Amino acid sequence: DIQMTQSPSSLSASVGDRVTITCRASQGIRNDLGWYQQKPGKAPKRLIYTASSLQSGVPSRFSGSGSGTEFTLTISSLQPEDFATYYCLQHNSYPLTFGGGTKVEIK
Amino acid sequence: EVQLLESGGGLVQPGGSLRLSCAASGFTLSNYAVSWVRQAPGKGLEWVSVISVSGGSTYFADSVKGRFTISRDSSKNTLYLQMNNLRAEDTAVYYCAKLVGSPGVWGQGTLVTVSS
Repeated sequence: DIQMTQSPSSLSASVGDRVTITCRASQGIRNDLGWYQQKPGKAPKRLIYTASSLQSGVPSRFSGSGSGTEFTLTISSLQPEDFATYYCLQHNSYPLTFGGGTKVEIK
Repeated sequence: EVQLLESGGGLVQPGGSLRLSCAASGFTLSNYAVSWVRQAPGKGLEWVSVISVSGGSTYFADSVKGRFTISRDSSKNTLYLQMNNLRAEDTAVYYCAKLVGSPGVWGQGTLVTVSS
């Protein structure tokens, strides 16, 4: 099984900050990775697919990069509505696996 | 509009069974591999199962293998998750989700509580 190690598990940031979240795969997964945002009591929402493609309707301050084993999600200028938990998901092989999550909190 | 809508959750005793449904609208379910994902209270996301486009292949997380089955009714455009021999640790919100390709779609989730 492919393990997804996500870091940090939590972070505190201010509105306007640049935020970077990382996922590392235990083996190469090409670009078979998505990034999700989840707010309390709501279903996850996909932000990025195939590692770097922005989902339609998602603000351009979100971006993804990486390939193989190292991936990053960047929020260029954190907005109040971005405080949430973020997950990566690899869909290269079964079982699909999520990262442990990163909770982005207000500083 | 592309949507998924889960139903069938509820309270069940340990060792009991439950069948979840996921009705699709705005797209043909059988043209895509659609998964079940769950989230225990206060925990992260856990992928549970998927059925292939052909329906000929199914995959499961080790935590549910041998207890859960996944199936699809193309005439109803609906996905199912049959859950048997339920345990307390199966307590979670269960989502159906189209995880690969665009658009990505998730249902709103249905809560399953396993407790005596």
